[in-house]
Amino acid sequence: NAGVTQTPKFRVLKTGQSMTLLCAQDMNHEYMYWYRQDPGMGLRLIHYSVGEGTTAKGEVPDGYNVSRLKKQNFLLGLESAAPSQTSVYFCASSYPGTGVRSNSPLHFGNGTRLTVT
Amino acid sequence: DAKTTQPPSMDCAEGRAANLPCNHSTISGNEYVYWYRQIHSQGPQYIIHGLKNNETNEMASLIITEDRKSSTLILPHATLRDTAVYYCIVRVARGSTLGRLYFGRGTQLTVWP
Repeated sequence: NAGVTQTPKFRVLKTGQSMTLLCAQDMNHEYMYWYRQDPGMGLRLIHYSVGEGTTAKGEVPDGYNVSRLKKQNFLLGLESAAPSQTSVYFCASSYPGTGVRSNSPLHFGNGTRLTVT
Repeated sequence: DAKTTQPPSMDCAEGRAANLPCNHSTISGNEYVYWYRQIHSQGPQYIIHGLKNNETNEMASLIITEDRKSSTLILPHATLRDTAVYYCIVRVARGSTLGRLYFGRGTQLTVWP
């Protein structure tokens, strides 16, 4: 049981380049999330998904796109990277927000450190 | 979600209990208190959560005051590996707000030998 796995762990991009961050979870969680963490800012929600084939915007969605084609995977895309997107990106997953497991915690991956020059 | 207030830093001797306070004076009746920690360069790790009653698991204990306006996370026998930033989060457990966690700045706990 690996939990939440993020790839790659590190990446350096030039301004304008594109890339996709992959998140995979093996806990059969319905909900998945992408956060970014910047110094002094805490974690901010970028996009999230409440099930296969569904996505929704979080607090800071601009410049990012996501897809949830399979329940276990949640992809975060940067179409045209900007220096402001230099950050540490965390993926998380959880059970649904309703029902008997509605107060279940989030499980996080170990992050992708992205630098845009 | 209610905001929380935590001291920016604390330290503790190895083997002693670490008591981390959190104020959440605007907490609503249906909001849970969650604690996470983040060890340097890793993702946040869930520790414990509670609503009204005190809770204990293999990692820690959570003490919530009767008025629910504050809580304390207790690590009973701190080790060097417990050095991390600890986040106290208050949020509604159900509904679409799940996942929209406000982590704030947390408390940097340093455990010294």
